Amino acid sequence: DTEVTQTPKHLVMGMTNKKSLKCEQHMGHRAMYWYKQKAKKPPELMFVYSYEKLSINESVPSRFSPECPNSSLLNLHLHALQPEDSALYLCASSQVRLSGNTIYFGEGSWLTVV
Amino acid sequence: AQSVSQHNHHVILSEAASLELGCNYSYGGTVNLFWYVQYPGQHLQLLLKYFSGDPLVKGIKGFEAEFIKSKFSFNLRKPSVQWSDTAEYFCAVDVVDYQLIWGAGTKLIIKP
Repeated sequence: DTEVTQTPKHLVMGMTNKKSLKCEQHMGHRAMYWYKQKAKKPPELMFVYSYEKLSINESVPSRFSPECPNSSLLNLHLHALQPEDSALYLCASSQVRLSGNTIYFGEGSWLTVV
Repeated sequence: AQSVSQHNHHVILSEAASLELGCNYSYGGTVNLFWYVQYPGQHLQLLLKYFSGDPLVKGIKGFEAEFIKSKFSFNLRKPSVQWSDTAEYFCAVDVVDYQLIWGAGTKLIIKP
């Protein structure tokens, strides 16, 4: 079982909808991540928050908007998505060290854009 | 640019067979190495990791991996696989803060 919990597990949304994915961890980690994973591919990094500040944005389109309300929570706001955005969205967390950070993943939110 | 290669994209074995999945990386400096597993329809789970020390690391579910610095390799092994080991296996390397470089993955199918 993972200690990173994500909701919802499944989401179907239209291209004009606005929805949000939510993530919570209680491991005391101060880095939180959003990844996107397509079937049979490794995950692709989207965003990293470190100490609640956005530290990495991997040139993600603005229709994805991350938010880190506090050290335990991470949201991903979705608006005007395209069908090709359908994927598994993974939240993850880790400690913040100079090196050797183990990243722990949540179960993911399966997103289908219709 | 740094990269991670997993040599086998698909591996099919019978139960009780021995397993070795290859992973090579291209980076000359200090690395942290990981193997993750993703069972069908499930999330990524950490199998094992190497940061420093003994190059032979043991993970969960009977898996182990050996870091061979001279070969830039971190191969995953299991002496006797089970049907429940059917999954996708990803090797990853941490060379930059927060960013894992991932291999393409190996789909392992165990025939009962």
